[in-house]
Amino acid sequence: GAGVSQSPRYKVAKRGQDVALRCDPISGHVSLFWYQQALGQGPEFLTYFQNEAQLDKSGLPSDRFFAERPEGSVSTLKIQRTQQEDSAVYLCASSLFGPPSSGNTIYFGEGSWLTVV
Amino acid sequence: KQEVTQIPAALSVPEGENLVLNCSFTDSAIYNLQWFRQDPGKGLTSLLLIQSSQREQTSGRLNASLDKSSGRSTLYIAASQPGDSATYLCAVMYGTGNNRKLIWGLGTSLAVNP
Repeated sequence: GAGVSQSPRYKVAKRGQDVALRCDPISGHVSLFWYQQALGQGPEFLTYFQNEAQLDKSGLPSDRFFAERPEGSVSTLKIQRTQQEDSAVYLCASSLFGPPSSGNTIYFGEGSWLTVV
Repeated sequence: KQEVTQIPAALSVPEGENLVLNCSFTDSAIYNLQWFRQDPGKGLTSLLLIQSSQREQTSGRLNASLDKSSGRSTLYIAASQPGDSATYLCAVMYGTGNNRKLIWGLGTSLAVNP
């Protein structure tokens, strides 16, 4: 498709299990973002890539969270030893140019919904 | 198909003006609707969240209304300031449990000129 694609759409993980969430940005988009949104809350920034370079990972909540984009296209967000507070929707977004400025359209995927039980 | 549309795509106003940003959605069976702002190089900031049973929410100079029957929400910004310059995004949540889906508009890019 032409939009940002995320998989899996829904994931139920047992506490302590590792999970991997995939994002396929729009082809040719330079910038890629990951956000975490708990139910009823606004999205929280996790990390930002420009091509394959991870320029900002200040939002990753702990060292259990790891993101990569090795070839500057598909990105994977990995969460190790999941805990219940990791339950949230994980949103991926991409844009054509570098850091988004006013007027630079950002395209979001529909999210990966993670429930840790 | 569930779609969210934001109008206008871009807006430039002088400081002090009151302004309205529009969000329309094709499926009125929403769970909630959220307005966000995105500043250059920054993440999203949640502004207002309106549950499907609510008609409006207010925070400071911001007021968001919801009319499910017509499939519309508006974000009203009073006495705009240069610091309000950002991209404003509308997101609609549908469904519950494992059938939840978040649909985003493409945003309105706002420039408030001093």
